[in-house]
Amino acid sequence: DVKVTQSSRYLVKRTGEKVFLECVQDMDHENMFWYRQDPGLGLRLIYFSYDVKMKEKGDIPEGYSVSREKKERFSLILESASTNQTSMYLCASSGTFEQYFGPGTRLTVT
Amino acid sequence: QKEVEQNSGPLSVPEGAIASLNCTYSDRGSQSFFWYRQYSGKSPELIMSIYSNGDKEDGRFTAQLNKASQYVSLLIRDSQPSDSATYLCAVNARGSGNTGKLIFGQGTTLQVKP
Repeated sequence: DVKVTQSSRYLVKRTGEKVFLECVQDMDHENMFWYRQDPGLGLRLIYFSYDVKMKEKGDIPEGYSVSREKKERFSLILESASTNQTSMYLCASSGTFEQYFGPGTRLTVT
Repeated sequence: QKEVEQNSGPLSVPEGAIASLNCTYSDRGSQSFFWYRQYSGKSPELIMSIYSNGDKEDGRFTAQLNKASQYVSLLIRDSQPSDSATYLCAVNARGSGNTGKLIFGQGTTLQVKP
């Protein structure tokens, strides 16, 4: 079974803090993705990576950056957290097109 | 026009009935189609994938694909209260190459009433 893990289920941060969200997959997948999900807005792609050190912007990259130094790990960085980044953050990985999601991190920025 | 469209619902069906969830997509070149189930407060879970026209059955679930009409549907037979969830349709993105990028619909909320 594919296993995607995320570093935290719940996280509370203050405005202006630098926030790191970590995602690890154990299936040797090439592709990894970061989404955020908000009520009424569905899943929105922030960034994705199709190889180590390769990344592409998704639909809403502003205020975020990513890092993929190893194949199994994909990190999302909020450079200076703001209240409008309060959301559920979901990581996914895929070998081809079947994406498998981690449990999610519910981030609250106060 | 959204790239992947679903009726947000809620779709309410009685226990034991067939639930029919529909999805239309705009890119005629799409080749890969997926259904995810998402329980409230949880992450999406892949339940069906379909790549060819026709039906694909897996237990109580049947995915149907019609590329000419650009729609994909999910039938759930003998619906149970535990099937109550939001169902997301996903399609491979235009020009996605080997990146695995998918376009997700907004999801349809299904309520199965005992």
